[in-house]
Amino acid sequence: AQSVTQLDSQVPVFEEAPVELRCNYSSSVSVYLFWYVQYPNQGLQLLLKYLSGSTLVKGINGFEAEFNKSQTSFHLRKPSVHISDTAEYFCAVSVDDKIIFGKGTRLHILP
Amino acid sequence: DTGVSQNPRHKITKRGQNVTFRCDPISEHNRLYWYRQTLGQGPEFLTYFQNEAQLEKSRLLSDRFSAERPKGSFSTLEIQRTEQGDSAMYLCASRQSGGGRETQYFGPGTRLLVL
Repeated sequence: AQSVTQLDSQVPVFEEAPVELRCNYSSSVSVYLFWYVQYPNQGLQLLLKYLSGSTLVKGINGFEAEFNKSQTSFHLRKPSVHISDTAEYFCAVSVDDKIIFGKGTRLHILP
Repeated sequence: DTGVSQNPRHKITKRGQNVTFRCDPISEHNRLYWYRQTLGQGPEFLTYFQNEAQLEKSRLLSDRFSAERPKGSFSTLEIQRTEQGDSAMYLCASRQSGGGRETQYFGPGTRLLVL
């Protein structure tokens, strides 16, 4: 069965510092990978996606992620965070037309 | 493109009552999905439609839950005899089927509180 593991439930980071949110997936078939962001009391917004091709994917708001097939990872990074990045971030895989989400990582930006 | 819309945004009900939520997908999208998100968890798949046909239902979707998409446009999700455990955010998503179009676009959700 496919699954997604987000290794950190919460990540505190100082404003303007870099951040990495970790994600590992398990699947016996090729997958499509996504990162979604959820701001308080809102729905999910797509940050970026990996479907095929280049393993380094750039998304909105300065985020990027790298697909690593051998390590089955899809970690999300941003070189310098802003207070407006405070949100919950979900890593997800799409298999058989369903999206399977991780439990989420809450990003706390410290002043 | 007005995005996926959901109504109502919030619903408070008493245990045992029936509730119905509506989702309007992006107009050209033929696939529509329902997910449930409980506090502190990621969304979990409930069911999805291609046009008016319901193609798959999760085991999470008990007999008290029913979803319809009668004309292949908007969809409704009904919960009968609500229980406190049904309290959650119900998310709708849509996409157009076809290669390279795997991204699902989510609505703002309907937050249900069962007292």
